[in-house]
Amino acid sequence: DIQMTQSPSSLSASVGDRVTITCRASQSISTYLNWYQQKPGKAPKLLIYAASSLQSGVPSRFSGSGSGTDFTLTISSLQPEDSSTYYCQQTSSTPWTFGQGTKVEIK
Amino acid sequence: EVQLVESGGGLVEPGGSLRLSCAASGFTFSTYSMNWVRQAPGKGLEWISYISSSGSTKQYADSVKGRLTISRDNARNSLYLQMNSLRDEDTAVYYCARDATAEAFDIWGQGTMVTVSS
Repeated sequence: DIQMTQSPSSLSASVGDRVTITCRASQSISTYLNWYQQKPGKAPKLLIYAASSLQSGVPSRFSGSGSGTDFTLTISSLQPEDSSTYYCQQTSSTPWTFGQGTKVEIK
Repeated sequence: EVQLVESGGGLVEPGGSLRLSCAASGFTFSTYSMNWVRQAPGKGLEWISYISSSGSTKQYADSVKGRLTISRDNARNSLYLQMNSLRDEDTAVYYCARDATAEAFDIWGQGTMVTVSS
């Protein structure tokens, strides 16, 4: 199975800050990498698919990059509503696997 | 409105069975592959099963293989998860999710809670 490792596990940042979350795959997954946002008690929401494609309706402050084994989710200017847990997911080969999550809090 | 609505969760004893349903609306269900994803209390997301649009291809995580069975009824716009031989570690919120471009899960249901406990 492909292991997905996110860092950091949590972070605290101020409104307006640039935030970066990293996801590393245990083997190359090309660009089969998706990012989700989850708020407490809610279903996950797709933000980025295929490593860098912005899902329809997602604010442009979210962006994704990377290929192979190393990927990044960037929030260019953190907003209060971005307080959530973020998960990466590989869909290169089954079992599809998720990272352990990164909890983003607002200072 | 594109929507997925799960039902069928509840409290079940270890070794018991449960059948989850996921009702789709607002899109052509028969043209999309579907998935089940679960989340144990306070934990992360775990993909557990996939079914192709026709139902001919099914895949499972090792943690549920042989105990959980995915199926679908395209005439009823419904996805199912038959859960047998349930264990304490199957306690989780179960989500159905639509498989879109590049296998990303673009539409999710609200989730249904399954609690396995004596």
